[in-house]
Amino acid sequence: RKEVEQDPGPFNVPEGATVAFNCTYSNSASQSFFWYRQDCRKEPKLLMSVYSSGNEDGRFTAQLNRASQYISLLIRDSKLSDSATYLCVVNGAGKSTFGDGTTLTVKP
Amino acid sequence: DTAVSQTPKYLVTQMGNDKSIKCEQNLGHDTMYWYKQDSKKFLKIMFSYNNKELIINETVPNRFSPKSPDKAHLNLHINSLELGDSAVYFCASSAYGDSPLHFGNGTRLTVT
Repeated sequence: RKEVEQDPGPFNVPEGATVAFNCTYSNSASQSFFWYRQDCRKEPKLLMSVYSSGNEDGRFTAQLNRASQYISLLIRDSKLSDSATYLCVVNGAGKSTFGDGTTLTVKP
Repeated sequence: DTAVSQTPKYLVTQMGNDKSIKCEQNLGHDTMYWYKQDSKKFLKIMFSYNNKELIINETVPNRFSPKSPDKAHLNLHINSLELGDSAVYFCASSAYGDSPLHFGNGTRLTVT
């Protein structure tokens, strides 16, 4: 079993749609959690941290469920510019483990 | 100012050659990493250094040798390049082991 599992998609949605990505992790001792965004032929960039209390940044909401070892990212009112690959990241013992990424394409 | 910079951006070379990739960060971070992203876009950690000391070595062939002359630099030397080494190599840094990563813009290595 992979340490971090993501639905690979692809997700193809119209502008304005709400889309949710999910991620599960296997190590219950994991300590910090993040979502990154990677555009084609670019480096991954931090989108947001993920906390058990849930956190929101504009149209983006991230949630962590430690009991279920599950992380989610919700994007509301999708924009064309949201098209990218979204990577969940689980940290523990000084190591960041990346999911394989979920590709999102937002269409006009 | 570029936070994490790596050179070269592109590297095309033949099998059997030896090549190096350089990385520097000006964020004052203690921890630096090398990641490999293959053709399927999977991002895998190769090495992690904390303040010049090797912390993580993820079963990478010993043809790959990282070197950290100081905590702001982490270079990657690859001996006897193979076709399967073709990938994008990303350098990254973080303030400490479990904090977010800041990536360089990658080195696209093509071995022919």
